[in-house]
Amino acid sequence: TQLLEQSPQFLSIQEGENLTVYCNSSSVFSSLQWYRQEPGEGPVLLVTVVTGGEVKKLKRLTFQFGDARKDSSLHITAAQPGDTGLYLCAGAGTTDSWGKLQFGAGTQVVVTP
Amino acid sequence: EAQVTQNPRYLITVTGKKLTVTCSQNMNHEYMSWYRQDPGLGLRQIYYSMNVEVTDKGDVPEGYKVSRKEKRNFPLILESPSPNQTSLYFCASSQPWGTTTGVGTDTQYFGPGTRLTVL
Repeated sequence: TQLLEQSPQFLSIQEGENLTVYCNSSSVFSSLQWYRQEPGEGPVLLVTVVTGGEVKKLKRLTFQFGDARKDSSLHITAAQPGDTGLYLCAGAGTTDSWGKLQFGAGTQVVVTP
Repeated sequence: EAQVTQNPRYLITVTGKKLTVTCSQNMNHEYMSWYRQDPGLGLRQIYYSMNVEVTDKGDVPEGYKVSRKEKRNFPLILESPSPNQTSLYFCASSQPWGTTTGVGTDTQYFGPGTRLTVL
């Protein structure tokens, strides 16, 4: 059973459109991270959110941490083909697993020109 | 160049033949971890290590062993591999876990992955 549920599993959009990826859990995390993974490579960290309600922006990417620190979203504005990749959320620091980092199954995003 | 290296990158083996996947980092990180990635399941943590001689189980430790005798290395050992351990494996490292701005806030740097097939 996945502790972190990501939706949708797959997203195909045209260049210039917007998209949102969701990451939900019943557990409270001390922090939540978003990664992007390209084929044949390891995940690369995009952002870490720590405070409930926190919003972080990274150029066209906006990340939000839920008030209760159980969920997060990633919004991409005016998507470009270079945004294609597997987006993973990962939660850390639950009360019974201080050293563990738990990942969602990922959302495969495909942006076509 | 700061990096995490894994070897081998690709391995095909047979059931029951012991193997070791090496992981090394040159960033003086205290925290290291092993994950496996399977389609539809994302990354699942196998073992992690907070420091030298300190290791702990992740979510899927069965069938795996690790050791952390020195800070830079964190090998993953499969004593008797089975076909259900066919997967893509990643090693990762980070700064001391939770000692900067809070637990789980430090960037994990991932290796390039090891694709293992057990026949």
